[in-house]
Amino acid sequence: GESVGLHLPTLSVQEGDNSIINCAYSNSASDYFIWYKQESGKGPQFIIDIRSNMDKRQGQRVTVLLNKTVKHLSLQIAATQPGDSAVYFCAENINTGGFKTIFGAGTRLFVKA
Amino acid sequence: DTAVSQTPKYLVTQMGNDKSIKCEQNLGHDTMYWYKQDSKKFLKIMFSYNNKELIINETVPNRFSPKSPDKAHLNLHINSLELGDSAVYFCASSPLWGSGANVLTFGAGSRLTVL
Repeated sequence: GESVGLHLPTLSVQEGDNSIINCAYSNSASDYFIWYKQESGKGPQFIIDIRSNMDKRQGQRVTVLLNKTVKHLSLQIAATQPGDSAVYFCAENINTGGFKTIFGAGTRLFVKA
Repeated sequence: DTAVSQTPKYLVTQMGNDKSIKCEQNLGHDTMYWYKQDSKKFLKIMFSYNNKELIINETVPNRFSPKSPDKAHLNLHINSLELGDSAVYFCASSPLWGSGANVLTFGAGSRLTVL
């Protein structure tokens, strides 16, 4: 079926620590995954993406890991800052004759100063 | 310059009323979307238009009617509003339809409260 879910709805980390946000997906045909960040009062914003032919992709302070064997995606944020506090969504693009983006339930990240 | 702008940002109305939310994008994208976000932050796609043509129509009540006068605009009209329609509605756009590497640019959302 079509579903993208998250293991933890809320994550609290100390400023400066690394954060790991996990996501499980169920559609084995998905070949493109995206992480979005949603700050309070705003729309989701693209952070980083990864294609299914990769298992790791790095950006600035963020890394996405993809494990297709267990259908698991994670977002790692290095040296977490107060500005990283937000809700994070993983999403997958599913081919329905075109592509539609299906979002997971979201994880709220709290950064403690 | 706001890339995807939607109005109004807040909308409070009575059950049974009809209301519209407007969306415009200045990114030159071909595809536009409406998503609904409920109180638990779950984002669900409602509609997608590619170059003014309806592409995706999820199982949304027919009280919801999208309209795309041109590829830069996608409006959402809701008839006979119900309490369960209360949510934040997000408009989004993306460059290409049919591309697996499809990244969405979202507007700031329109919070609809039905009393």
